[in-house]
Amino acid sequence: GAVVSQHPSWVICKSGTSVKIECRSLDFQATTMFWYRQFPKQSLMLMATSNEGSKATYEQGVEKDKFLINHASLTLSTLTVTSAHPEDSSFYICSAPRSGEQYFGPGTRLTVT
Amino acid sequence: AQSVTQPDIHITVSEGASLELRCNYSYGATPYLFWYVQSPGQGLQLLLKYFSGDTLVQGIKGFEAEFKRSQSSFNLRKPSVHWSDAAEYFCAVGSSGGSNYKLTFGKGTLLTVNP
Repeated sequence: GAVVSQHPSWVICKSGTSVKIECRSLDFQATTMFWYRQFPKQSLMLMATSNEGSKATYEQGVEKDKFLINHASLTLSTLTVTSAHPEDSSFYICSAPRSGEQYFGPGTRLTVT
Repeated sequence: AQSVTQPDIHITVSEGASLELRCNYSYGATPYLFWYVQSPGQGLQLLLKYFSGDTLVQGIKGFEAEFKRSQSSFNLRKPSVHWSDAAEYFCAVGSSGGSNYKLTFGKGTLLTVNP
């Protein structure tokens, strides 16, 4: 089956710094990828749709200047959390569609101290 | 706007007992419906999906779900639960319009399996 990877799987950063999370489709191309955020013991909330070669589409309430998304190739989308604060600590998950099905990455646990 | 309700936050069953996890959705058109399972610290794994056709769908690991349009429900069932089924279960609805659909998730149901 299709495989989506994320890197890193776990990251700790200091408040005020930026951190980049990568999402890769390993064995298929994805012109669109999705980024979700999951707080502890809560559901996944869609943050944005990443579009290869064009600007990302953000969901209502998501700060596009804080969560920078770049879809530079057909297999890679990156999410950069800029000027991170403790409230940005969360589990970030990406997904990519293939043949009518969404394939999810294993997630990235971000802790901001 | 589409939405998903999972009324049960936490369910505990004994190993070998039957299981039903409830899911109700709200969507203006014919929905794409999904059940995912998430083990601690892991990504989501698709259990089954409904796009059209037979309203009773079979999935992996012995799970099945039935789409009932009149009740706006898509409940997940398993006749005999195994200890390895302990995990978080998410119901999701996807907007129609091609394969690049957005998913809206329910809040999840945590399943505990007692030996």
